[in-house]
Amino acid sequence: LAKTTQPISMDSYEGQEVNITCSHNNIATNDYITWYQQFPSQGPRFIIQGYKTKVTNEVASLFIPADRKSSTLSLPRVSLSDTAVYYCLVVALGYNKLIFGAGTRLAVHP
Amino acid sequence: DAGVIQSPRHEVTEMGQEVTLRCKPISGHNSLFWYRQTMMRGLELLIYFNNNVPIDDSGMPEDRFSAKMPNASFSTLKIQPSEPRDSAVYFCASSPAGREETQYFGPGTRLLVL
Repeated sequence: LAKTTQPISMDSYEGQEVNITCSHNNIATNDYITWYQQFPSQGPRFIIQGYKTKVTNEVASLFIPADRKSSTLSLPRVSLSDTAVYYCLVVALGYNKLIFGAGTRLAVHP
Repeated sequence: DAGVIQSPRHEVTEMGQEVTLRCKPISGHNSLFWYRQTMMRGLELLIYFNNNVPIDDSGMPEDRFSAKMPNASFSTLKIQPSEPRDSAVYFCASSPAGREETQYFGPGTRLLVL
């Protein structure tokens, strides 16, 4: 399983765009990049997944360069409710086991 | 859909007592996972089932922990005897067939062992 590295914490203000970068240097060909979000006192929630280039949904965008050794989760115009821990995971297709690291603790300020 | 249901939501018990945590996965999901989360160790996978069969229990801390899935709509995680270091939030999650990387987590059970 590829090891991921992401910042421990980030701070932002309401209305700003937040970019969280994750490194996964030994990602394998069959691996997908997956992000989860966890609010206090709740279980993690799947937010986005990608293999290469760019993926966008109603919550976030995920940018993956050609070498796939890193990825960037982009949250447009954050609000206070986006304060959460964001986990970057590398998951092999068809492999159930998710390994959660420490995640990035995002604090959004008024 | 009601989502993953866990009970109880909170449990306070004394050291040495048996604790049973319960989980009902989302209907139609064929994989079920048990996690434990603490400040010190983060979120750890304990065990997961596929089609009611345990696939990987390498994360189960020791013999005091056991998990069962008697049918597709119910699973239990039992700790006997419980110890103060078992205090944590225990999450159950399920995923649909073909989307194993997309797991839906329950609200968790907050366990405190005195």
